Amino acid sequence: GAVVSQHPSWVICKSGTSVKIECRSLDFQATTMFWYRQFPKQSLMLMATSNEGSKATYEQGVEKDKFLINHASLTLSTLTVTSAHPEDSSFYICSAKGRLGNTEAFFGQGTRLTVV
Amino acid sequence: GQQVMQIPQYQHVQEGEDFTTYCNSSTTLSNIQWYKQRPGGHPVFLIQLVKSGEVKKQKRLTFQFGEAKKNSSLHITATQTTDVGTYFCAVLLRRAGGTSYGKLTFGQGTILTVHP
Repeated sequence: GAVVSQHPSWVICKSGTSVKIECRSLDFQATTMFWYRQFPKQSLMLMATSNEGSKATYEQGVEKDKFLINHASLTLSTLTVTSAHPEDSSFYICSAKGRLGNTEAFFGQGTRLTVV
Repeated sequence: GQQVMQIPQYQHVQEGEDFTTYCNSSTTLSNIQWYKQRPGGHPVFLIQLVKSGEVKKQKRLTFQFGEAKKNSSLHITATQTTDVGTYFCAVLLRRAGGTSYGKLTFGQGTILTVHP
């Protein structure tokens, strides 16, 4: 199956700072990537859809100025959590979809963000 | 949008016992996918069902899609400690015309623990 690499796998940052998370498709071109957030023992909630070469589409209730998404190439999307606060602490996971319309989603390993 | 309710939230079993998780929707689903997420890990695709009444098997796992395409189940026979994790159902959003979009709506998940 396709490989999606997410980095870093965990990060601790101070309140008020920004954190960038990278999601790379290693062996296929990802025209669309998705960013999810997962709180402990809860489901994955879609935050935004990242489209290569265009603006991201955010889900209702997700602040686009706080969660900056950039999809500058067919293999890389980044999520930047700006001015992070403790309530932003969560597990962030990306998934990717290639051009061929595969039905299954390929997920990155996830990033555990802790804001102190 | 298409939403699914998943039950139970938690299931504790003795090794060797069977396990079933259910997903239900008030609307007809175009498809249903199942994912497994190990503790601390990311979701891994298990299977997709699209046909009314479809039944698929993967070793000890049996997946069913209801005749009305409003419910689905995952059944594990004779659980093992390696089955521990959270099982999610998810619906893949499709564009008009039926092409895959890649955006997933997840059920709440069932957390399975297996006691040896």
